[in-house]
Amino acid sequence: EAQVTQNPRYLITVTGKKLTVTCSQNMNHEYMSWYRQDPGLGLRQIYYSMNVEVTDKGDVPEGYKVSRKEKRNFPLILESPSPNQTSLYFCASRAGTGGTDTQYFGPGTRLTVL
Amino acid sequence: AQSVTQPDIHITVSEGASLELRCNYSYGATPYLFWYVQSPGQGLQLLLKYFSGDTLVQGIKGFESEFKRCQTSFNLRKPSVHWSDAAEYFCAVGAPLGGSQGNLIFGKGTKLSVKP
Repeated sequence: EAQVTQNPRYLITVTGKKLTVTCSQNMNHEYMSWYRQDPGLGLRQIYYSMNVEVTDKGDVPEGYKVSRKEKRNFPLILESPSPNQTSLYFCASRAGTGGTDTQYFGPGTRLTVL
Repeated sequence: AQSVTQPDIHITVSEGASLELRCNYSYGATPYLFWYVQSPGQGLQLLLKYFSGDTLVQGIKGFESEFKRCQTSFNLRKPSVHWSDAAEYFCAVGAPLGGSQGNLIFGKGTKLSVKP
């Protein structure tokens, strides 16, 4: 089954404790992206990747890092989480780097930073 | 820069009634346009998309949308709403060209409630 998986689905942590949210897709997609969703703000892009070792900032990259060492994986790293990073996070992937292909979303990771 | 406006934060309709969710975009050329639905506790699922050609687009679950260039709108419609349509709906725009090619800009969403 074609899918985007994220782990963990729920995470409660404390300020400053480094964490990683994993994202994996089994569709051999070139493009992957991370979004955060906050009430009243919709989805905002954090980082995206056009291919292995090619990443770029989205609209709200501060406080986040990503890496793309393999085509299927695109982890999101919070080196020193803060309470304003409490949010619902979505990973997404798309076959091509153009805009016409459908973007597939993971189930989401709900992060709480105390 | 492109942007998306969904003017209605929350809409309530009766089951069986028709539905129209509004979406206006800002972009210098013809953008790529999408509607996604997010059911409670779920990820986003694509309902329909428009790139070019026929401006009336049919999607899944009985939804449709019409691209209106002069009004810069891409409203989502359904003739008869079912209780299972209760969810949050997001309109998104993508730029066909440029360095951020393919990146999506989302509206803030419209939450749909369906009353029996």
